[in-house]
Parts: sequence; C-alpha cells; structure tokens
Amino acid sequence: ETGVTQSPTHLIKTRGQQVTLRCSSQSGHNTVSWYQQALGQGPQFIFQYYREEENGRGNFPPRFSGLQFPNYSSELNVNALELDDSALYLCALQRGPTGELFFGEGSRLTVL
Amino acid sequence: DQQVKQNSPSLSVQEGRISILNCDYTNSMFDYFLWYKKYPAEGPTFLISISSIKDKNEDGRFTVFLNKSAKHLSLHIVPSQPGDSAVYFCAARGRFGNEKLTFGTGTRLTIIP
Repeated sequence: ETGVTQSPTHLIKTRGQQVTLRCSSQSGHNTVSWYQQALGQGPQFIFQYYREEENGRGNFPPRFSGLQFPNYSSELNVNALELDDSALYLCALQRGPTGELFFGEGSRLTVL
Repeated sequence: DQQVKQNSPSLSVQEGRISILNCDYTNSMFDYFLWYKKYPAEGPTFLISISSIKDKNEDGRFTVFLNKSAKHLSLHIVPSQPGDSAVYFCAARGRFGNEKLTFGTGTRLTIIP
C-alpha cells in the first residue's frame, strides 16, 4: 500500500480523443512524476512536477501535458490520442532523502 | 538507446534456491540504482536500492550487488519463494534524488514450487 491513488483504473478511448488521468495521495508530496509503461517495456519518464511547475520532461510530445494542484494531486492529459498511446500510466511520488519513487497502481488506457 | 538493460526476459528458479537477476547500464552518470517488483495489474513496488559509493546492500532475503567498473548490478533473492514470482525492473538515476528514473525492460521471474 503506497498511499498513491490513481483513477480511472481502466479506460477505453478512440483515436483522436482526449483523456485525463488523475493521481492523489494520502499525504502531501511536493514532487510527482508520471511514467508510461507500454506492453513488454519498462516505465518511461513522461514528466515531473514540483510545487505546481513542470520540472523535467522526457521524450514525449506536447500533446502530453500535466497539472499539479495546491493539494498536491495531479493530472495527466493526453490530446489527439494515437494507437501507440495504449499503455499503463503510472503516477509516482518521491519519499525519503534518497528519493525512491512509490507508484500508484496505474491507469490502463486502451486506444482503439 | 537503452541505457539500462536487462538481457534476460525471463528466469525460472526452484523454490528455496537462489534467484539472480542481472542488469547492465551504459550511462556513467548514473549514481543510484533501484530494483522494483511488479505484479500484474499493480504498479511497481520498490524493493531495494544501492548508491554508487557501495558495492553491496542487503535487506532480508534481498541483496543488491554493484560493480561500477563493469557497469553491472545484480539482485539476489535467497531463498526464493513462490510469492517472488513477478516482473523485476532495474532502474537508475543521477546524483540527485529528484532526478528521473531510467528503467530496464524487466525480467519475469517464475518460482517453481
């Protein structure tokens, strides 16, 4: 139990649509990261938010965007969905001085 | 460009024996290494980590070894238990705690009763 809650757990969209995925935690964390895990791959870093500002971005196009709110909850938005966006999307919070990431259970997105 | 590599997609080990999972990396700026375990339909769970200033870190049945000169790390699980059956990911980051993690592609470990 990591205390990281993601919603929805599963969803199906069609190509061209937009999706919003959400992440919250039982306690506040300044830093939240989002990762994409495609089938058969390891998680890939999308971006990180620190105190409501984007603080690092991986190799993902601008149609992937995010928000972090004052209560430290976070959203990942993906516009103009493509078939290759089908993946498990993971929210992660940093804990401890060495910054280990603790992940939520993920939101599995299927794009048809 | 796969900076963290797990060359064995799968591994089967008899219950009670030692499981050894391997990981290689290419980026010499990596300074901190982590292992995560993942069950189906769950997010990755942090297992154990090691800093580049150490060559070994132990936590119960889990031990991670780091060979910086070879850019190689390994996770030893002994004794292996059926509940250890999962996908194991190796991950690495730079010096600072807020840096992104770079993951390998994972090794599926199956413990045979």
